[in-house]
Amino acid sequence: AQKITQTQPGMFVQEKEAVTLDCTYDTSDQSYGLFWYKQPSSGEMIFLIYQGSYDEQNATEGRYSLNFQKARKSANLVISASQLGDSAMYFCAMREPYSSASKIIFGSGTRLSIRP
Amino acid sequence: EAGVVQSPRYKIIEKKQPVAFWCNPISGHNTLYWYLQNLGQGPELLIRYENEEAVDDSQLPKDRFSAERLKGVDSTLKIQPAELGDSAVYLCASSLEGEGDTQYFGPGTRLTVL
Repeated sequence: AQKITQTQPGMFVQEKEAVTLDCTYDTSDQSYGLFWYKQPSSGEMIFLIYQGSYDEQNATEGRYSLNFQKARKSANLVISASQLGDSAMYFCAMREPYSSASKIIFGSGTRLSIRP
Repeated sequence: EAGVVQSPRYKIIEKKQPVAFWCNPISGHNTLYWYLQNLGQGPELLIRYENEEAVDDSQLPKDRFSAERLKGVDSTLKIQPAELGDSAVYLCASSLEGEGDTQYFGPGTRLTVL
């Protein structure tokens, strides 16, 4: 069965530093998609970045990058130059197999707090 | 372009009362999802619609929960009767096939059952 694991329930980082949020996944399928979402205190889930299992290059979106290590089944989110507004819950998610007919499952999340 | 709209944002009811949540997806998105999110946890899928058809409702507690998406656009999720354990955030999301199936979420409805 597919599974997403986020082992860091909470993290504190100094403003302007880079931060890595860990995510490991378990799947027997070769075709899958990985997502990261941000959930601020307002409650809305904001899509950040996507990585397909067949993508050879790591996905990047502005200050966000996804460190995809397929053999280790890890999909860590890297935020460069953190800002106070980055304080939020972050969820890793997976769709397996990669098709519109499959559902997405979420990890338990990591609460990131940025210190000024 | 407007995002996913949900209403109400907050709802407080007494146990055994009925409650309904409404969701309007992003225009043109054919797939709509309802999720349940308990405090400190990730969202869990309740039901997924492809247009007006419910294609995955295996996690929906059908004894008290129901949902509909009659014209394949907006959707309503209902609980009747509500129980104390139903207190949670109910999230709606939508996606468009071919855009990586990325799901875009609404702000959610926070339900408190007293």
